[in-house]
Amino acid sequence: EDQVTQSPEALRLQEGESSSLNCSYTVSGLRGLFWYRQDPGKGPEFLFTLYSAGEEKEKERLKATLTKKESFLHITAPKPEDSATYLCAVQAWGAGSYQLTFGKGTKLSVIP
Amino acid sequence: GAVVSQHPSWVICKSGTSVKIECRSLDFQATTMFWYRQFPKQSLMLMATSNEGSKATYEQGVEKDKFLINHASLTLSTLTVTSAHPEDSSFYICSARGGGSVTEAFFGQGTRLTVV
Repeated sequence: EDQVTQSPEALRLQEGESSSLNCSYTVSGLRGLFWYRQDPGKGPEFLFTLYSAGEEKEKERLKATLTKKESFLHITAPKPEDSATYLCAVQAWGAGSYQLTFGKGTKLSVIP
Repeated sequence: GAVVSQHPSWVICKSGTSVKIECRSLDFQATTMFWYRQFPKQSLMLMATSNEGSKATYEQGVEKDKFLINHASLTLSTLTVTSAHPEDSSFYICSARGGGSVTEAFFGQGTRLTVV
């Protein structure tokens, strides 16, 4: 059974204080690992897809990296508008309809 | 980017009535649509997967007669909660994926259902 564990559950940062969110996963065969951002009362917003170990992707202050066991979402010099819950999900080969297995998320709060 | 529109954003209904939620892909053809349920401070729980023109595949423990899913076209899927009860109150979210080898799924805004 595919599993995704995210840590920490919650993270409070001062504006400008860089940090990383962790996503550990076990999957029979990784087709893709996905990062989403979810604001309260909204649906998840797609951020990144990573396919193979060593891959990195960047978008503004966010950078996602992937190893064979985990992924990190690095946040550089965060701003209050980066406050949200960040969700990690995996998609396995053999998932006939490309289903995603989600972690519980990390709630990020950036304090001005 | 790909846009998925979900309607309504929130709905309040009386116990025993049915509620329909629509999910539309606005700028791409959605071969596959997914329906999730999310409880407070919990992650997304997959309820069912539907491919256009086919019957939906429900996850274990999800009542298919209670949660009716229709995916009649490549741009529209609907979830109908039949004979709703207060325990069905939750946040329902749809996502849609294009065809071929596309792996990404894009989400709607979600629907907050309250059954009174």
